Amino acid sequence: KAGVTQTPRYLIKTRGQQVTLSCSPISGHRSVSWYQQTPGQGLQFLFEYFSETQRNKGNFPGRFSGRQFSNSRSEMNVSTLELGDSALYLCASSLAGGSWETQYFGPGTRLLVL
Amino acid sequence: GESVGLHLPTLSVQEGDNSIINCAYSNSASDYFIWYKQESGKGPQFIIDIRSNMDKRQGQRVTVLLNKTVKHLSLQIAATQPGDSAVYFCAERGQAGTALIFGKGTTLSVSS
Repeated sequence: KAGVTQTPRYLIKTRGQQVTLSCSPISGHRSVSWYQQTPGQGLQFLFEYFSETQRNKGNFPGRFSGRQFSNSRSEMNVSTLELGDSALYLCASSLAGGSWETQYFGPGTRLLVL
Repeated sequence: GESVGLHLPTLSVQEGDNSIINCAYSNSASDYFIWYKQESGKGPQFIIDIRSNMDKRQGQRVTVLLNKTVKHLSLQIAATQPGDSAVYFCAERGQAGTALIFGKGTTLSVSS
């Protein structure tokens, strides 16, 4: 079974631009979560989607948004990019996001904002 | 508030030694814990998990111990190999649909 895939793997943007990242979960997984990883803050939860609905949201500004499609693929969007948005963005999937379910991570998208 | 932390940012061991990586959590309501390994340039890789109704769980060369009394989690790696060199994160979750909360990570360096 293929793992979680994320595209693109690397991205360079300038301040003020917007960016869209894509995540394809493991086949059969319906819950997709997004995390931001930086050296200073570590891994921080952005949001979780299940059945095309945002079920949980972390403490990030409204510039960060996401969505999920009927095939469980998910996208996240960051508008009006800031230098501090430079990070590794990780997507993780699980069957249904149950409390005892393992989340499996993709390789991440490395975003650099100049 | 909820937080998960690791006691040591770095750990250096010799090949063949047993490694122990520790993690303290603050939310007594957390009922699921996971250890991840992250190699440079890659996403976190699942190692082992444990539910709060268990004290110990074993995998291949790895053991996770959970002490709910002192809210402590540890990962033991037997016969550590150079390929085990990576950053190790513990994570906790309280309820279904809630986020995994990660600690800062411990960098394990294995020398041969």
